Amino acid sequence: GENVEQHPSTLSVQEGDSAVIKCTYSDSASNYFPWYKQELGKRPQLIIDIRSNVGEKKDQRIAVTLNKTAKHFSLHITETQPEDSAVYFCAASMNTGNQFYFGTGTSLTVIP
Amino acid sequence: ETGVTQTPRHLVMGMTNKKSLKCEQHLGHNAMYWYKQSAKKPLELMFVYSLEERVENNSVPSRFSPECPNSSHLFLHLHTLQPEDSALYLCASSQDPQPGNEKLFFGSGTQLSVL
Repeated sequence: GENVEQHPSTLSVQEGDSAVIKCTYSDSASNYFPWYKQELGKRPQLIIDIRSNVGEKKDQRIAVTLNKTAKHFSLHITETQPEDSAVYFCAASMNTGNQFYFGTGTSLTVIP
Repeated sequence: ETGVTQTPRHLVMGMTNKKSLKCEQHLGHNAMYWYKQSAKKPLELMFVYSLEERVENNSVPSRFSPECPNSSHLFLHLHTLQPEDSALYLCASSQDPQPGNEKLFFGSGTQLSVL
């Protein structure tokens, strides 16, 4: 089955700096890669996703890049703000969409 | 509340108790999921229901029993649990599992403690 690895497990940045979280996956059949943000005590919420036919996608301060050859994808947050502090999860999924394989999460702290 | 609602938010139970977790989605979705979230571990898929039929069961112990009476409601029945079952149990829904519609919407979870 699919194996998704996520790094780093914790990340601290100064407000205004950029943050990058990386994930690798093992199954080349995976073609959908969402990112979820989970604030303390709250539900995970989808923040951005990318499909395998696209190399990069951007939404304001958030961007995701995908390298299918190397089987890795990354989340980039620019101009970080304290409200970006949360746990971020990457995931990989195949065509059917029933099975999402999640990473172990990255706890991001933005220091004011 | 709109979206995906889970009850209770917190549950403490002994190993001999029987309890149920409830999930309700108000999004008109056709697929519902149970996930287990433990510290330092990836989210683990437990069960998937699509159009009220179970389509995935990832080798979950029989002490967890799901029930999906209709496309809006999902239950997880618990009995004779072990302390290692303590975790946050998340319910999620998606429009359907087809490409383009598979985005997951999560509930707030039930924090379960087994004593």
